[in-house]
Amino acid sequence: QVQLVQSGAEVKKTGASVKVSCKASGYRFTDYYIHWVRQAPGQGLEWMGIINPSGGTTSYAQKFQGRVTMTRDTSTSTVSMELSSLRSEDTAVYYCAREWTSRATDYWGQGTLVTVSS
Amino acid sequence: QSALTQPASVSGSPGQSITISCTGTSSDVGSYNLVSWYQHHPGKAPKLMIYEGSKRPSGVSNRFSGSKSGNTASLTISGLQAEDEADYYCCSYAGSNTLVFGGGAKLTVL
Repeated sequence: QVQLVQSGAEVKKTGASVKVSCKASGYRFTDYYIHWVRQAPGQGLEWMGIINPSGGTTSYAQKFQGRVTMTRDTSTSTVSMELSSLRSEDTAVYYCAREWTSRATDYWGQGTLVTVSS
Repeated sequence: QSALTQPASVSGSPGQSITISCTGTSSDVGSYNLVSWYQHHPGKAPKLMIYEGSKRPSGVSNRFSGSKSGNTASLTISGLQAEDEADYYCCSYAGSNTLVFGGGAKLTVL
């Protein structure tokens, strides 16, 4: 069965970086794009970017350009999202999600809480 | 990339129908037939309810339907049930391999 298993919760200081991983299983890793979406406390879903696990190409939301890096490791079927220069507003649950078709996602990770404080 | 506009809250009684709107621009909703809708219960992963504006994934009740007119997409839920109470998000392709979500609508079943 398809599973996306994310790394555990993180607590970071303002200005630091965080790297969240998402390990895929149950399907051919390189066949499906992965999106990253976050939800801050009391806020809505926010799209961050997409990575093609096959070639590693990425596209990021303008808001995160220059601060986010998405990578993949085909040997471990894992994609990662690194966000730098963290600020308190980056406190959120971060999700990875598999694109099924037509920019719609079917399977999601369990979410990773990232807390940023000074 | 501004968020798509959704009503903050909608409500209805069991058995009734409700519609949630999702207004974008000619650069996103209006230009592509790539609007999806997600149901999100707090603490759980979002669930895909509608894709390509009006298609339902296998296993999603036919009480859920989607449509689009111009820059506005809509999700209609008929025969409201208590378990439909959740947050609903629209999401549209916005060109250049980017997506944009709506602000979310909280559905309350009275």
